[in-house]
Amino acid sequence: QVQLVQSGAEVKKPGASVKVSCKASGYTFTTYYMHWVRQAPGQGLEWMGTINPSGGSTTYAQKFQDRVTMTRDTSTSTVYMELSSLRSEDTAVYYCARSWQLASPFDYWGQGTLVTVSS
Amino acid sequence: EIVLTQSPGTLSLSPGERATLSCRASQSVSSSYLAWYQQKPGQAPRLLIYAASSRATGIPDRFSGSGSGTDFTLTISRLEPEDFAVYYCQQYGSSPRTFGQGTKLAIK
Repeated sequence: QVQLVQSGAEVKKPGASVKVSCKASGYTFTTYYMHWVRQAPGQGLEWMGTINPSGGSTTYAQKFQDRVTMTRDTSTSTVYMELSSLRSEDTAVYYCARSWQLASPFDYWGQGTLVTVSS
Repeated sequence: EIVLTQSPGTLSLSPGERATLSCRASQSVSSSYLAWYQQKPGQAPRLLIYAASSRATGIPDRFSGSGSGTDFTLTISRLEPEDFAVYYCQQYGSSPRTFGQGTKLAIK
């Protein structure tokens, strides 16, 4: 069965960076795109960007262009999202989610990783 | 960027009733690349509907989607207790992918 298992909760200070992982299983890792979506406490969903695990190409939302890096490790079927220069507004649950094509909905989601930014 | 506006913000209904949720786009959504998700507290979103009207795998047929262009609707024909949650629409045909702000379906 398809599973996306994310790394555990993080607490970071303002200005620091965080790196969240998402390990995929139950399907061929390189044949599905992976997206990152975040949700601030009590708020809606915000798409951050996409990585193609096959070649590693990425597309980022303009809002995060200067601060986010998405990478993948095909040997472990894992994608990573690193967000730098953290501020309190980055406190949120971060989800990975896959899609079968670039223009496809997100059919499986990770369980979410809470990142708290606090001094 | 395509802005999606959902209405109402909160919908209070009783089990067995029919729910109609709306999602309006600021510009036409290409090829009806419009999805609906359900999210319960503490859980990740779950895909319900894609391509505006196709049910995802395992989704009960009481859930249906319709619409095209800029106006889309999610209908739940007869509400079950487990259907009370927050619902989001999403367009995935253009970048950035965008979500509506959500409609909370509450028990009356």
